[in-house]
Amino acid sequence: DTGVSQDPRHKITKRGQNVTFRCDPISEHNRLYWYRQTLGQGPEFLTYFQNEAQLEKSRLLSDRFSAERPKGSFSTLEIQRTEQGDSAMYLCASSLVPETVGGYTFGSGTRLTVV
Amino acid sequence: AQTVTQSQPEMSVQEAETVTLSCTYDTSESDYYLFWYKQPPSRQMILVIRQEAYKQQNATENRFSVNFQKAAKSFSLKISDSQLGDAAMYFCALGDSNYQLIWGAGTKLIIKP
Repeated sequence: DTGVSQDPRHKITKRGQNVTFRCDPISEHNRLYWYRQTLGQGPEFLTYFQNEAQLEKSRLLSDRFSAERPKGSFSTLEIQRTEQGDSAMYLCASSLVPETVGGYTFGSGTRLTVV
Repeated sequence: AQTVTQSQPEMSVQEAETVTLSCTYDTSESDYYLFWYKQPPSRQMILVIRQEAYKQQNATENRFSVNFQKAAKSFSLKISDSQLGDAAMYFCALGDSNYQLIWGAGTKLIIKP
């Protein structure tokens, strides 16, 4: 297992288009998190899964955002009708609770640019 | 509400010297964890060091150590013998009882050669 993988690394899309990102966590990890990060800021929580169940979504997450984690393995994050304000780095992280007690392993992120 | 505050947006240090990054937090929980993460430019976030709140002994990892003051709710990171590769954004984070992390805004560390 080589860590948390995210695909694609970069995505440029036109405003109004839909985009989907994928995250493959460390296989034995039961938690998977999605964060958004803009330049010079800390990660902003979007949502997380424990196994296949989506347990929490940020109130900041508009209806245009949806995430899934079928079978508790990889996860996808879809943004519909993208806006320029969606331009950011989207980070995925995984952890094994309770063993790693919040110590996340992050992927390299997907950088989204909406033009 | 739980909060994490990093009051230093940017710090600089001469190579080979020691630098301390500050972090304060607020939580009503008695059982929690504290973390420092490092994010080099255009690279992924990695865990630097972790501290369990129930442990009085400060955590150390090679050149990285923390000064954990539980009563003051302070959790600073000391980097000894700074190296060029230490240049990055450093984030302090508080882990709650639900294993979620609350993040500070980050401190940009510049290493001067």
